[in-house]
Amino acid sequence: EAQVTQNPRYLITVTGKKLTVTCSQNMNHEYMSWYRQDPGLGLRQIYYSMNVEVTDKGDVPEGYKVSRKEKRNFPLILESPSPNQTSLYFCASSSKTGVRTDTQYFGPGTRLTVL
Amino acid sequence: ILNVEQSPQSLHVQEGDSTNFTCSFPSSNFYALHWYRWETAKSPEALFVMTLNGDEKKKGRISATLNTKEGYSYLYIKGSQPEDSATYLCARIHNAGKSTFGDGTTLTVKP
Repeated sequence: EAQVTQNPRYLITVTGKKLTVTCSQNMNHEYMSWYRQDPGLGLRQIYYSMNVEVTDKGDVPEGYKVSRKEKRNFPLILESPSPNQTSLYFCASSSKTGVRTDTQYFGPGTRLTVL
Repeated sequence: ILNVEQSPQSLHVQEGDSTNFTCSFPSSNFYALHWYRWETAKSPEALFVMTLNGDEKKKGRISATLNTKEGYSYLYIKGSQPEDSATYLCARIHNAGKSTFGDGTTLTVKP
């Protein structure tokens, strides 16, 4: 089954404690993205990746890091989480050849609370 | 940030009503526009991909149109049903993987 998986689905942590949210897709997609969603707002792109070792900042990259060492994985790293990073996070992937005509496939979401 | 705006922010209709909402975006350097449907506690799911000026797409009772020259897209739902209740998101797709989402229109259909 074609899918995007994220782990963990729920996480409560404390300020300053480094954490990683994993994202994996099994569709051999080149493009992957991370988004955050806050109440009353749409999805805001944090980082995106066009292929292995190629990443770029989205609209809200401050406080986040990403890496793309393998095509299927795109982890999101919060080196020193702060309460304003409490949010719902989505990972998504799409194919390069279909980037104009194909949609993004979203993971199930990770709800992060930073105390 | 290239702004994508959606209106209205929320909409309450009765079952059987037809409704429509708007996605506005900068018309310059248009690449593609996507519509997604997002139900509470689920992930956004794709509805339509719009790429050409004048595009009209339809899926069941839901349809969408695109005007790239003036920078807007309309989403129409004919004969709304309670199961249509969701947040509808549009996203402007730039090339090379960057995308900008609107804040969404939340539709509530009352039985």
